[in-house]
Amino acid sequence: GAGVSQSPSNKVTEKGKDVELRCDPISGHTALYWYRQSLGQGLEFLIYFQGNSAPDKSGLPSDRFSAERTGGSVSTLTIQRTQQEDSAVYLCASSSGLLTDTQYFGPGTRLTVL
Amino acid sequence: GQQVMQIPQYQHVQEGEDFTTYCNSSTTLSNIQWYKQRPGGHPVFLIQLVKSGEVKKQKRLTFQFGEAKKNSSLHITATQTTDVGTYFCAGVAGNMLTFGGGTRLMVKP
Repeated sequence: GAGVSQSPSNKVTEKGKDVELRCDPISGHTALYWYRQSLGQGLEFLIYFQGNSAPDKSGLPSDRFSAERTGGSVSTLTIQRTQQEDSAVYLCASSSGLLTDTQYFGPGTRLTVL
Repeated sequence: GQQVMQIPQYQHVQEGEDFTTYCNSSTTLSNIQWYKQRPGGHPVFLIQLVKSGEVKKQKRLTFQFGEAKKNSSLHITATQTTDVGTYFCAGVAGNMLTFGGGTRLMVKP
């Protein structure tokens, strides 16, 4: 595709429910990143996938958060038992591979937990 | 762990005034990237600096990488309303990439 796509663009859920956020990276990009951005705040790193290597999960805030990347392409970020503090924009980015490569960001998913 | 700090957090300027944001790392960086995020948008890559003391220009934007490769700056000359947004630096050290907290620029017409 032309760029990184994410779905849904908006998600409203009730506290305690599980949600799945999807990211389709640029074709051929081996690296994929998930970030969280609260209103007016900076980018909080969540998780990083690089090729077939084990993902860097060091940024996941709790064990309610998990992510997988199937076939080295599409990634899903899952938040279990959502809390109100999980409300934020979740951004996905992909790059050619190296950490030094340009990251191309998707439009994000705005998650609201009521 | 690696920390990347950006100052100021916010900046209001009158259109036509200059603007500078500074990025400081706790560790020596292999490279630094700058991104711009327009209000309601997502971060978009602006530039990457790799060499010690490197200076790059994009029209009214000037990017510098410090001699020690631990700090960087973005300077905008004669700001315009189209410059509004949040500017992020992102530093790479070892196998870590860390974003700064961003500087939000507001321009009064």
